[in-house]
Amino acid sequence: GAGVSQSPSNKVTEKGKDVELRCDPISGHTALYWYRQSLGQGLEFLIYFQGNSAPDKSGLPSDRFSAERTGGSVSTLTIQRTQQEDSAVYLCASSPNLGNQPQHFGDGTRLSIL
Amino acid sequence: GQQLNQSPQSMFIQEGEDVSMNCTSSSIFNTWLWYKQDPGEGPVLLIALYKAGELTSNGRLTAQFGITRKDSFLNISASIPSDVGIYFCAGPLNAGGTSYGKLTFGQGTILTVHP
Repeated sequence: GAGVSQSPSNKVTEKGKDVELRCDPISGHTALYWYRQSLGQGLEFLIYFQGNSAPDKSGLPSDRFSAERTGGSVSTLTIQRTQQEDSAVYLCASSPNLGNQPQHFGDGTRLSIL
Repeated sequence: GQQLNQSPQSMFIQEGEDVSMNCTSSSIFNTWLWYKQDPGEGPVLLIALYKAGELTSNGRLTAQFGITRKDSFLNISASIPSDVGIYFCAGPLNAGGTSYGKLTFGQGTILTVHP
C-alpha cells in the first residue's frame, strides 16, 4: 500500500532478548518519527530522522534503545536486553519533511515481553 | 516534555448526541492537532489549528484553538457508531514551535457510542 508500513505487527519475546522493529515510510518522505504508546496512554516521542540523520536522541528511554535509517527510507528501532517495561505499541510516522506538514502513522508493532 | 491534559478520560453517549472534549496545557502552544485512533491502528489526523481563536471544521467535527493558546476543544455533532475510538490532542514537543515534528500527546479521550 501507499501508507507507512511497520513490521512485525506483533512481537512476543522473552526478557533479555534483543528485538528489531522495522518501519517503511511513505515513499519520498524525508522525515521519520518513532513513538511509543503504553497501554491506555498517549504517544511518547522517542526519536526522529531527517534523511538518515537523527539529530536528537534524548527521547530514547535508555541506552538499550537505538535506531537507524539507511538510504533515506527504511528505519529500524532496536531494543537490546529487553525488559518487561518495554512492552508497548511502537508507532512510526513519516512526513514529507520536518516542516509544518502532517505526520502519517503506521499501525504499529505491538511488543510483549514475557 | 510539555504536558497536555485531556478531559474527559472517557465518554459514553447515545448515537445522535453531540460530544465535546478539551485539552489544556500550562504552556502556550502555537499549533494544536487532533487525532483519532481506532483499535489496532495508528492515529489519523482530524484537524490542525495554527492561530489563537481559530475555529476549523472537518465534516461533523469542529475544533477551536483557545484564545489563551493554552487550550483547545474538539466537538463532534450528531455522533454515529463509527465515531468510536480514542481522540488525542497533540502539539509540538517544544510548545512554542510550529513544526509538526516531535509531537507531545494528551492521554486521550475514549469515546463509546451506543446505537
